[in-house]
Amino acid sequence: GGIITQTPKFLIGQEGQKLTLKCQQNFNHDTMYWYRQDSGKGLRLIYYSITENDLQKGDLSEGYDASREKKSSFSLTVTSAQKNEMAVFLCASSHWGYAEQFFGPGTRLTVL
Amino acid sequence: GDQVEQSPSALSLHEGTGSALRCNFTTTMRAVQWFQQNSRGSLINLFYLASGTKENGRLKSTFNSKESYSTLHIRDAQLEDSGTYFCAAERDTGYQNFYFGKGTSLTVIP
Repeated sequence: GGIITQTPKFLIGQEGQKLTLKCQQNFNHDTMYWYRQDSGKGLRLIYYSITENDLQKGDLSEGYDASREKKSSFSLTVTSAQKNEMAVFLCASSHWGYAEQFFGPGTRLTVL
Repeated sequence: GDQVEQSPSALSLHEGTGSALRCNFTTTMRAVQWFQQNSRGSLINLFYLASGTKENGRLKSTFNSKESYSTLHIRDAQLEDSGTYFCAAERDTGYQNFYFGKGTSLTVIP
């Protein structure tokens, strides 16, 4: 078994601020993902990475940057926080070639 | 448009009864995953299918790639089954890019 941790659990920022969310996994999975979930809605893919230093854009990548520093960690940066992007950000990981995803507990973003 | 259409959007079941949730896909998908999201927001893996049917306890899921749908059957519903259920489907092109349905909010009534 393994675990995915996300930090921080709650993130409060000011409009226009640059904010970074972090994700770590110890599954030794190749692929990692960042999703955004707006209140009462499904998940939308922001970025994913199939290996260290790889980045692939999802449907919602505008306004975000990501970094896969090493196999076990994947960071997401909100480049300029906006009030309409208050949401929960969920990190996930999966093996290459077998795409069952496992999710972290999420980071709840509030923009003041 | 949406790649994954999930229905119903909300469902109430009395304890001990059952029902089916469904996801229809507008394009060819190679795999589907079902999750339960609990009250704390955690996503719990239920099933991952590339084809056919899987069963686990009171839950059963089927994925038919050719006819572009997947179902999740719940039988003998219990209070702890309440939550939001999501399907996520992986497109047959591209790489491990999942599309989520909008979810089914299930309430189990005593």
